[in-house]
Amino acid sequence: GAGVSQTPSNKVTEKGKYVELRCDPISGHTALYWYRQSLGQGPEFLIYFQGTGAADDSGLPNDRFFAVRPEGSVSTLKIQRTERGDSAVYLCASSLTATGETQYFGPGTRLLVL
Amino acid sequence: AQKITQTQPGMFVQEKEAVTLDCTYDTSDPSYGLFWYKQPSSGEMIFLIYQGSYDQQNATEGRYSLNFQKARKSANLVISASQLGDSAMYFCAMREGRGGSNYKLTFGKGTLLTVNP
Repeated sequence: GAGVSQTPSNKVTEKGKYVELRCDPISGHTALYWYRQSLGQGPEFLIYFQGTGAADDSGLPNDRFFAVRPEGSVSTLKIQRTERGDSAVYLCASSLTATGETQYFGPGTRLLVL
Repeated sequence: AQKITQTQPGMFVQEKEAVTLDCTYDTSDPSYGLFWYKQPSSGEMIFLIYQGSYDQQNATEGRYSLNFQKARKSANLVISASQLGDSAMYFCAMREGRGGSNYKLTFGKGTLLTVNP
């Protein structure tokens, strides 16, 4: 079956602009996660959704970052007033349920802020 | 302190040989899970293998096995009969806790494996 998909695969933007990154999880998966991977590092947790609600957003770096999952499936990560330090690969993952389940990752969106 | 430590930034192996990628972890929670993911140059994180803290046997999945030494807090990945397609970054990750809290993965910095023909 189809895996996790993310669009766009690459995004180049200018400092100060607004961007949206989309994640389409595996069908039937109720849990969805966003991670950020900086160059030379492992992914770092940003936010976790169980269904439509953000159950844990403790990893979001500041209030410029926001994510939604209005219908419990597709999620959008939104970054306002982008900064050069936001440049990274943004990875989305999903799992059947949240607890004790393997997370399956998408290919990521490479964000470059000029 | 780092929760996941991968001390090998890069490793080289000859095709068809076995290779071990090191991972040590730090947790005070008795319930945890350990994962290995592969990240090829395309960027996608591919799940390889999982070991639970209460599992008695070392996990195996095809050519992948996890050498779990609980007292030493190590969870090394062993890849047997390396193939050229195994060339990639490999990440060790941990999930701590039980029930509603055990969803967050903490990753190491990764090991870049290069398989030589």
